[in-house]
Amino acid sequence: QVQLVQSGAEVKKPGASVKVSCKASGYTFTSYYMHWVRQAPGQGLEWMGIINPSDGSTSYAQKFQGRVTMTRDTSTSTVYMELSSLRSEDTAVHFCVRDGRSGSYLGVLHYWGQGTLVTVSS
Amino acid sequence: EIVLTQSPGTLSLSPGERATLSCRASQSVSSSFLAWYQQKPGQAPRLLIYGASSRATGIPDRFSGSGSGTDFTLTISRLEPEDFAVYYCQQYGSSSLTFGGGTKVEIK
Repeated sequence: QVQLVQSGAEVKKPGASVKVSCKASGYTFTSYYMHWVRQAPGQGLEWMGIINPSDGSTSYAQKFQGRVTMTRDTSTSTVYMELSSLRSEDTAVHFCVRDGRSGSYLGVLHYWGQGTLVTVSS
Repeated sequence: EIVLTQSPGTLSLSPGERATLSCRASQSVSSSFLAWYQQKPGQAPRLLIYGASSRATGIPDRFSGSGSGTDFTLTISRLEPEDFAVYYCQQYGSSSLTFGGGTKVEIK
């Protein structure tokens, strides 16, 4: 069965960076795009961007351009999301989410990781 | 960027009642690339509907989606106790995915 297991909660100071990992299993890692979506406490969902694990190509939401970097390690079936220049507004649960279509990007968010809480506080 | 507006913000209903949730887009959503998700407290969202009207695997048939263009609806025909949750619509017709603000379905 498809599983996405994310790294544990992080507490960071303003201006720092955070790197969250998401280890995939139960399917062919390179066949499905992976999204990152975040949710601030008590708020709605916000799409951050996407990575193609096959070739490492990425596309980021305009809001996060220049601050977010998504990478992958095919040897461990793991994707990473690094967010820099953290501010208090970045406090949120960050989810990795597998796309719903094999081989090409669709945009349906099918399988979700358990989420990683990133807290930014001085 | 396509803005999605969900209404109402909160829906207070009793088990067994019918729930009708609305999602309106600021511009036409191409090819009805509209999905619905359910989220319970402390959990990740779960995909319910994609392509405006196709149920995801394992989703009960009391959940149905409809609509096209700029107006979409999620209907829960008879609410079960486990259906009380927050529901989000999401469009994937443009390169930047966007979500609605959510509708909370609460027990009356």
